[in-house]
Amino acid sequence: EAQVTQNPRYLITVTGKKLTVTCSQNMNHEYMSWYRQDPGLGLRQIYYSMNVEVTDKGDVPEGYKVSRKEKRNFPLILESPSPNQTSLYFCASSLGFGGGSGANVLTFGAGSRLTVL
Amino acid sequence: GENVEQHPSTLSVQEGDSAVIKCTYSDSASNYFPWYKQELGKRPQLIIDIRSNVGEKKDQRIAVTLNKTAKHFSLHITETQPEDSAVYFCAASKTYNFNKFYFGSGTKLNVKP
Repeated sequence: EAQVTQNPRYLITVTGKKLTVTCSQNMNHEYMSWYRQDPGLGLRQIYYSMNVEVTDKGDVPEGYKVSRKEKRNFPLILESPSPNQTSLYFCASSLGFGGGSGANVLTFGAGSRLTVL
Repeated sequence: GENVEQHPSTLSVQEGDSAVIKCTYSDSASNYFPWYKQELGKRPQLIIDIRSNVGEKKDQRIAVTLNKTAKHFSLHITETQPEDSAVYFCAASKTYNFNKFYFGSGTKLNVKP
């Protein structure tokens, strides 16, 4: 089954304790990205990657890091989490470039709800 | 960068009525406009999208219209059903330089039986 898998789905942690949210896709997609969802603010892009070793900042990158060492994986790293990073996080992927039908359609993971105390 | 505004933030309709959600964007270079539906506790899923070379697109009870001059696009749902109740997000992007996606703040649609 074609899918984007995120882990963990739920996490409660404390300020300053480094954590990683993993994201993996099995569709050979080139493009992967991370979003956070907060009430009234919609989905805001944190980082994106257009291919292996190619990453760039989205609109709200502060406090986050990413890496893309393999095409299928795109982990989100919070080096020193703070309470304002409490949010629902979504990883998404798509085929990437090209005007062909479906190339830009995002497939989302199930989400990871993070609480930072 | 791009700024996408979405209205209304909440919308309540009677089953069988139509619902319209509107979005405006600021970057005239944006050429791809998808709509995502997010049911309670679920992940967002694409329901329809439109590219800037098309003014309207329909898929059964759902349609999207695009006005490039005014830089706004709208989602139309006809004959609404309770299962249409969800949060809907519009977004804008560029297919030729596909990197950033800009989402609206979402519309919570409630369809009353």
